[in-house]
Amino acid sequence: ETGVTQSPTHLIKTRGQQVTLRCSSQSGHNTVSWYQQALGQGPQFIFQYYREEENGRGNFPPRFSGLQFPNYSSELNVNALELDDSALYLCASSPDADRKNSPLHFGNGTRLTVT
Amino acid sequence: GDSVTQMEGPVTLSEEAFLTINCTYTATGYPSLFWYVQYPGEGLQLLLKATKADDKGSNKGFEATYRKETTSFHLEKGSVQVSDSAVYFCALWDDKIIFGKGTRLHILP
Repeated sequence: ETGVTQSPTHLIKTRGQQVTLRCSSQSGHNTVSWYQQALGQGPQFIFQYYREEENGRGNFPPRFSGLQFPNYSSELNVNALELDDSALYLCASSPDADRKNSPLHFGNGTRLTVT
Repeated sequence: GDSVTQMEGPVTLSEEAFLTINCTYTATGYPSLFWYVQYPGEGLQLLLKATKADDKGSNKGFEATYRKETTSFHLEKGSVQVSDSAVYFCALWDDKIIFGKGTRLHILP
């Protein structure tokens, strides 16, 4: 089975720009979630999508937005980039929205650097 | 709010040593508890989980027991290997998932 894939692997942007990160979920998984992992920190939950609808969100401002497509792939969009947005962005998929009991399958992440 | 606190690293051990990585949590509800592992250059992988008090999760020789009375979920392994070198994250899931900061483990041959 194909695992979770993310693109691009690395990205450099300038403060104020916008960025789109992409994620293909594991085959058979209909739920996708996104995380921000700053250097030396654990991943922080940004939001989750289930069947194309956002159904959970962490403490991130509205300039962090997302989409899920009918094939369950997903995008994370960040507008008006700030220096503190520099981090590893992780995508994870799971087979259903019952997150307490569904293991997350993570991609290898996109390393975003904002200068 | 909910939180996870795990011991700071790095932790350096010799091969075949006993490992304990401490994890404590605070939660208002009844969370599920997890340990995830991140090997160098790879994404996070689920190592083990426990969904209710007194449950023991185990995998690859690692174990952790959900202790509600001490709000803890310590990770243990009786004999570590060089291949266990990685970053380990404790996490809880109540209404959303919260990860600890991670503990880097170095195993020396």
